[in-house]
Amino acid sequence: QVQLVESGGGVVQPGTSLRLSCATSGFTFRSYGMHWVRQAPGKGLEWVAVIWFDGSNKVYGDSVKGRFTISRDDFRNTVDLQMNSLRAEDTATYYCARVVGGNGWSGGRLDPWGQGTLVTVSS
Amino acid sequence: DIQLTQSPSFLSASVGDRVTITCRASQGISSYLAWYLQKPGKAPKLLIYDASTLQSGVPSRFSGSGSGTEFTLTISSLQPEDFATYYCQQLNSYPYTFGQGTKLEIK
Repeated sequence: QVQLVESGGGVVQPGTSLRLSCATSGFTFRSYGMHWVRQAPGKGLEWVAVIWFDGSNKVYGDSVKGRFTISRDDFRNTVDLQMNSLRAEDTATYYCARVVGGNGWSGGRLDPWGQGTLVTVSS
Repeated sequence: DIQLTQSPSFLSASVGDRVTITCRASQGISSYLAWYLQKPGKAPKLLIYDASTLQSGVPSRFSGSGSGTEFTLTISSLQPEDFATYYCQQLNSYPYTFGQGTKLEIK
């Protein structure tokens, strides 16, 4: 079955970097775009970034633009999120999700989601 | 950015009740809206996409409707496992924003 498993979370100090990874299985990874969504403790969902199925386009949320980079490895079937210059407000559980349908720019839906990995930015 | 406003933010209901959650968009998003359910400590789960299409495996008591700027999620007869937080998400244009969530609690 389709599975997404995030890893790489942890406790880091402000200003430092962290790299999250999402390992996928059970589907043809190179045919799907992938998203990252985060959720601060006790708060709602915030969309973070997307990478197209072929890596041709990447879009970021305003709060992470210029600091975070999304990438994919079609040989390892993984999607990564490189997070630099981390701030306290980046503290959240980070989920990866596959996008099904749509044309990349609009439409589709996120399904399934991984179980999430917690990033805590604190001094 | 497109803002999504869900109402109510909190809802108290009983098993067997019919409940409706509304999601309003700050500008038209055609039918590019999805609904998710999230239980504490778990990842969100897709319920409805394209505003009214039921995801495979989701019980038929869930239904969605609307287009443009106003959308609804209806649960026809609440079951114990339905008590959770519900989010709408627009997939019309980036950033793909979410509503603030509706927490459905047992009365």
